[in-house]
Amino acid sequence: RKEVEQDPGPFNVPEGATVAFNCTYSNSASQSFFWYRQDCRKEPKLLMSVYSSGNEDGRFTAQLNRASQYISLLIRDSKLSDSATYLCVVNIRGNKLTFGTGTQLKVEL
Amino acid sequence: NAGVTQTPKFQVLKTGQSMTLQCAQDMNHNSMYWYRQDPGMGLRLIYYSASEGTTDKGEVPNGYNVSRLNKREFSLRLESAAPSQTSVYFCASSAPGGVNSPLHFGNGTRLTVT
Repeated sequence: RKEVEQDPGPFNVPEGATVAFNCTYSNSASQSFFWYRQDCRKEPKLLMSVYSSGNEDGRFTAQLNRASQYISLLIRDSKLSDSATYLCVVNIRGNKLTFGTGTQLKVEL
Repeated sequence: NAGVTQTPKFQVLKTGQSMTLQCAQDMNHNSMYWYRQDPGMGLRLIYYSASEGTTDKGEVPNGYNVSRLNKREFSLRLESAAPSQTSVYFCASSAPGGVNSPLHFGNGTRLTVT
């Protein structure tokens, strides 16, 4: 089992749709969780941290489910510009962050 | 505000050649990292430096060496390049706060070893 696991997709959705991704992690003691966005052939950029109580940033909502060991990212009212790969990042072991392989999102007209 | 700057952007090497990837950050961050990204795999940590003067191995350190020249600069050296080192390399830095601090990435270096 991978330490941080994501569905690679692609998720093809029409503009305006709501889409959600999950990411499972292996270590129940993990404390830090992030979602990064990576555009094709570019560097990853922080989208948002994920807090225990869940958090929202505009159209984006992140949640943590410790019991089932997964985090989620919900995107409302999808825009064409949301097309990218979304990376789940967790501190699986000590002070190092482990990256998932990413979920590809394609928003279409 | 430049953030994290990596050079070169692209490089082609022959097997056995050596090269150094340069990375500099202007955010006064203590921690710096080198990752590689390969298709179908997440970013994997090669080496990191928690502070000036210290370096530690990550998940895939074999075939690489690093130098934390000062607080700003962290270089990655391939002494004898192999085709398995064909990859995209990213340098990153983070503020104090350990794993609670997000990573700031450079633009990446696309390396091909033939």
